[in-house]
Amino acid sequence: SQQGEEDPQALSIQEGENATMNCSYKTSINNLQWYRQNSGRGLVHLILIRSNEREKHSGRLRVTLDTSKKSSSLLITASRAADTASYFCATEDSNYQLIWGAGTKLIIKP
Amino acid sequence: DVKVTQSSRYLVKRTGEKVFLECVQDMDHENMFWYRQDPGLGLRLIYFSYDVKMKEKGDIPEGYSVSREKKERFSLILESASTNQTSMYLCASTPGSGPNEKLFFGSGTQLSVL
Repeated sequence: SQQGEEDPQALSIQEGENATMNCSYKTSINNLQWYRQNSGRGLVHLILIRSNEREKHSGRLRVTLDTSKKSSSLLITASRAADTASYFCATEDSNYQLIWGAGTKLIIKP
Repeated sequence: DVKVTQSSRYLVKRTGEKVFLECVQDMDHENMFWYRQDPGLGLRLIYFSYDVKMKEKGDIPEGYSVSREKKERFSLILESASTNQTSMYLCASTPGSGPNEKLFFGSGTQLSVL
């Protein structure tokens, strides 16, 4: 079953701008992870935030988690052409099962 | 870095053929997974394995089987390929038992069934 839903489905911004993607989920979670997928390739893990954390940073990435709203956001600052990819959230539920969203397609225009 | 290798990037098969998708990981990971990915649907879990010779059904196991005879290798088998199994297939692994944190993915196999 799919419980993660990313929003928006697609996002197109100018290079240098910030990109924000959101993920909503339905059940309680152990953690939430964000992955990137370049066109036609496998997924690469970006960042994990645990249910007792509210914010996490990794380089130009900032992830927030609001368990009361069952939502997370991924912010990419100062976007680059290489950030063009699809971004997926995955939530790990209490049974240690990962549930994936359908992804946000991000296009960075030069 | 962990390397997860899928044997083929692209495969074209005919309806009714038996298809083998191979996946090998080189970091002694306990857990291995097979997903399929279709546009607009995200990743859906087909089968997973937490140990050698052990397998568990995921969300969409129908029409598939798996084999894990060695720890590093996890094979996905389509017993009789059908056109609705045309998809991107992704293999992944994680190190230990317990929470599945940070999956390592292969590059994927785009399978077309004609």
